Amino acid sequence: EAQVTQNPRYLITVTGKKLTVTCSQNMNHEYMSWYRQDPGLGLRQIYYSMNVEVTDKGDVPEGYKVSRKEKRNFPLILESPSPNQTSLYFCASSYGTNQPQHFGDGTRLSIL
Amino acid sequence: GQNIDQPTEMTATEGAIVQINCTYQTSGFNGLFWYQQHAGEAPTFLSYNVLDGLEEKGRFSSFLSRSKGYSYLLLKELQMKDSASYLCAVTTSGTYKYIFGTGTRLKVLA
Repeated sequence: EAQVTQNPRYLITVTGKKLTVTCSQNMNHEYMSWYRQDPGLGLRQIYYSMNVEVTDKGDVPEGYKVSRKEKRNFPLILESPSPNQTSLYFCASSYGTNQPQHFGDGTRLSIL
Repeated sequence: GQNIDQPTEMTATEGAIVQINCTYQTSGFNGLFWYQQHAGEAPTFLSYNVLDGLEEKGRFSSFLSRSKGYSYLLLKELQMKDSASYLCAVTTSGTYKYIFGTGTRLKVLA
């Protein structure tokens, strides 16, 4: 089954404790992206990747890192999480920017 | 700057037709997407427009006017399951970014 898998689905953690949210897709998509979704602000792009070893900043990259060492995986790293990063996070993938994106089920992060 | 505007909320009756508008201002334009997102779920793709005109897909149609920076999503024969948020998103030329509007929450009443 074609899918984008994110883990964990839920996480409560504390300020400053490094965490990684994993994202994996099995559709051989080249384009992958991370978003955060906050009430009243909609989906905002954090980082995206056009292909292996090619990543770039979206609109809200501060406080996040990503890597794309393999085509299927695109982890989101919060080196020193802060409460303002409490949000719902989605990973998405597609063949290209003008192809439909497939979204993971989301990761709800709470940082205390 | 880059901006996408959609109404925050709309209400319609089962069986009716509803039009959700989206206006955008971006530095360069590549294409426009509509996604549906039910509460607590991930967005799912509905339609894509790159050229001016109407794209029809069953009960859903999407229209684009590039010169006016305007799109709409038309939902016909509304069903209760159409109650969801509808997200307009634009991809820009020169970058590979996606810019989403804040979404329109549609309530379908019996």
